[in-house]
Amino acid sequence: AQSVAQPEDQVNVAEGNPLTVKCTYSVSGNPYLFWYVQYPNRGLQFLLKYITGDNLVKGSYGFEAEFNKSQTSFHLKKPSALVSDSALYFCALLTGRRALTFGSGTRLQVQP
Amino acid sequence: DAGITQSPRHKVTETGTPVTLRCHQTENHRYMYWYRQDPGHGLRLIHYSYGVKDTDKGEVSDGYSVSRSKTEDFLLTLESATSSQTSVYFCAISESGTTDNEQFFGPGTRLTVL
Repeated sequence: AQSVAQPEDQVNVAEGNPLTVKCTYSVSGNPYLFWYVQYPNRGLQFLLKYITGDNLVKGSYGFEAEFNKSQTSFHLKKPSALVSDSALYFCALLTGRRALTFGSGTRLQVQP
Repeated sequence: DAGITQSPRHKVTETGTPVTLRCHQTENHRYMYWYRQDPGHGLRLIHYSYGVKDTDKGEVSDGYSVSRSKTEDFLLTLESATSSQTSVYFCAISESGTTDNEQFFGPGTRLTVL
């Protein structure tokens, strides 16, 4: 079965420090992976995607993600966190139905 | 933001009543999706559509039906609402459904079933 796991319910980081939000996946075949962000009372916004090619994917708002096939991971990273990055982050996997299977979400809290 | 609107944005209803949620897009995208968001579960697919009158079930489709008579509108109906259907419902669209196309999400509808 295809699935996505986000092992941390919450990540806390100080402003200016690097941040990592973890995601692992399980799929037969090639994975197509996405990161989305959700701000309070808003819909989801697309951040970045991995389809094929370079293992380091750059996205919106200074975020990037590292695809690691041997570890079946797709961790979201940012070199220097901002307070405004505080939000709920979702990792997602494209399924055979052309819909997305989401992880349970990780709440990122950036402290000033 | 992509041209996606959802109506109503908030609704409170009683158990056993039918409820219809509407998703409207102005992007002329082929694929449309309904998800529900619940704490600890992320978003889960209810139904999706790959064209006018073409729909299919997702992982949590029991108790829901959909219709798509026009490209721009995708309706989600709860035939007889239950308290377990209290959730936030998101509509999403995608241009072609291929691996290159990300999905764009609407603002959501918060539904409470008493």
